[in-house]
Amino acid sequence: DIQMTQSPSSLSASVGDRVTITCRASQDISNYLAWFQQKPGKAPKSLIYAASRLHSGVPSKFSGSGSGTDFTLTITSLQPEDFATYYCQQYHSSPPTFGQGTKVEIK
Amino acid sequence: QVQLVQSGAEVKKPGSSVKVSCKASGGTFNNYAINWVRQAPGQGLEWMGGIIPILGAAKYAQKLQARVTITADASTNTAYMELRSLRSEDTAVYYCARAHQLLTELDSLKMWGQGTMVTVSS
Repeated sequence: DIQMTQSPSSLSASVGDRVTITCRASQDISNYLAWFQQKPGKAPKSLIYAASRLHSGVPSKFSGSGSGTDFTLTITSLQPEDFATYYCQQYHSSPPTFGQGTKVEIK
Repeated sequence: QVQLVQSGAEVKKPGSSVKVSCKASGGTFNNYAINWVRQAPGQGLEWMGGIIPILGAAKYAQKLQARVTITADASTNTAYMELRSLRSEDTAVYYCARAHQLLTELDSLKMWGQGTMVTVSS
């Protein structure tokens, strides 16, 4: 199975900050990488697919980049509603696997 | 806009089975893979398996293959996940999620059900 490793596991940031989360795959996954946002007690929300493409309705403050084994999710101008846990997921090879999550907390 | 609505919370005894449903409304269902993902309390996301309803054959995570069955009823736009021989470590929220692209088995997940809490306790 392909291992997905996110860093950091958690971070503290202030409203208005720009944050970057990294996701590393244990082998080349091309651009078969998705990002999700999850708030406590809620289902995940799909943000990005194909490493950099935003799902419809997702604000442009979210952006993704990367290819191969190294990927990033960037959130600009953090707002209170952006404080959540973010997961990456590869869908290059079965089984699809997720990173362990990055919790973005209010400083 | 497609919505996925799951069945309600369940409390089960160890060794028993649970069957969770996921009904799609408002759009196309049968041509997209429906995946099942679970999340134990305070833990991350784990893929369990998936099915493309119009094709019928399901795929499973190896660690669960012996205990899980995923099916779909194209006539009612409903997918099901049955987990047998339940253990305490199966206590989790179970989500269904629809793929992004038509007829693509391994794909990003575009929309999610609200989740079903399954508690396994004696």
